[in-house]
Amino acid sequence: GQNIDQPTEMTATEGAIVQINCTYQTSGFNGLFWYQQHAGEAPTFLSYNVLDGLEEKGRFSSFLSRSKGYSYLLLKELQMKDSASYLCAVRNDYKLSFGAGTTVTVRA
Amino acid sequence: DSGVTQTPKHLITATGQRVTLRCSPRSGDLSVYWYQQSLDQGLQFLIQYYNGEERAKGNILERFSAQQFPDLHSELNLSFLELGDSALYFCASSVATGWNTEAFFGQGTRLTVV
Repeated sequence: GQNIDQPTEMTATEGAIVQINCTYQTSGFNGLFWYQQHAGEAPTFLSYNVLDGLEEKGRFSSFLSRSKGYSYLLLKELQMKDSASYLCAVRNDYKLSFGAGTTVTVRA
Repeated sequence: DSGVTQTPKHLITATGQRVTLRCSPRSGDLSVYWYQQSLDQGLQFLIQYYNGEERAKGNILERFSAQQFPDLHSELNLSFLELGDSALYFCASSVATGWNTEAFFGQGTRLTVV
């Protein structure tokens, strides 16, 4: 089965850095994805990791450790528009399973 | 715009009824996923199709069924609807089912069962 855990909520100040952790236990692993979802809208793709290490894309970075079943999404130079839910997802063969999401609130 | 089209955007229906949600994937995408997202809940994987064939099943109720047609569009059929079926239903598509392909989501269909 799939078990994907991430914190429910996080709050940070504009301009700061926030790290969202994700731990997973799956019967197989073909990659880990991070998505952003604003309330009532469709999730949009942020980043992807299949090998251990750090992937950087502008203000967003994602890290993966397959041996630990652990990933994090790092959001730098936070902006008000970054207030959203961040979803960790694991691909296992044909399935793409999501965690419950972490709601990030950015305060001025 | 992700290129994935879902219709209708909103649907209000009564308990016990049956509805069909439609999804047109991005041009060239062979794989379609269906997800259910209830209020304040995560995305629950329902089912996935690849080039017309069912490839993976999640927590999909027996009252629900889906199919992918030769033109690659997909339909999700929900029967004997209950109040608890009220949710956002998302469709996503990807080029293939391989590990290096992200899924692109449609804007969703908001179903309200009254």
